[in-house]
Amino acid sequence: GESVGLHLPTLSVQEGDNSIINCAYSNSASDYFIWYKQESGKGPQFIIDIRSNMDKRQGQRVTVLLNKTVKHLSLQIAATQPGDSAVYFCAETGGGSNYKLTFGKGTLLTVNP
Amino acid sequence: DAGITQSPRYKITETGRQVTLMCHQTWSHSYMFWYRQDLGHGLRLIYYSAAADITDKGEVPDGYVVSRSKTENFPLTLESATRSQTSVYFCASDGGSSDTQYFGPGTRLTVL
Repeated sequence: GESVGLHLPTLSVQEGDNSIINCAYSNSASDYFIWYKQESGKGPQFIIDIRSNMDKRQGQRVTVLLNKTVKHLSLQIAATQPGDSAVYFCAETGGGSNYKLTFGKGTLLTVNP
Repeated sequence: DAGITQSPRYKITETGRQVTLMCHQTWSHSYMFWYRQDLGHGLRLIYYSAAADITDKGEVPDGYVVSRSKTENFPLTLESATRSQTSVYFCASDGGSSDTQYFGPGTRLTVL
């Protein structure tokens, strides 16, 4: 069936480096994508989103890139900090938007001081 | 402004007992959702609600019941808890204009 997945389950980086977390999706009708951050013992926290009519969107230290041709989404974190250590999920809504999100299984980002 | 809250945060119960998990949001969001999160499965949608008195099944609804008599509350009831329902449960809400869902802190439920 249609799904959203992640290429790498874990990512370890040094403090100050840039991090890139990838996500593949299979539903070509997906029109809205979100990245969430989940710290241990907490609920998912919204980071940034992007609609299918865009290919790039920037926030504070984060950038989301969308490549609809290959159905690929990435989250770039600049100057990664220890506080960025968490599990990152991508999520998407299918075409027609019934407000139901499909989540990937997550990538664990570990930032080493 | 508390946003979205869940109670209890931790619950231990026994097989066969009824358990209700509470979710409350202060944004007057139309949409509310219940997810469970398990290792290896990520977040899975149990039920959702588009407005008061309107609910619908998600991916894994069996064994759960929801109601939404007021916009701000969306309780989830396990009518007869089973060990397979041991999980972390998250409630979320969405104002409907952007599809962005905002999550509560979660309830960790253990069924013995």
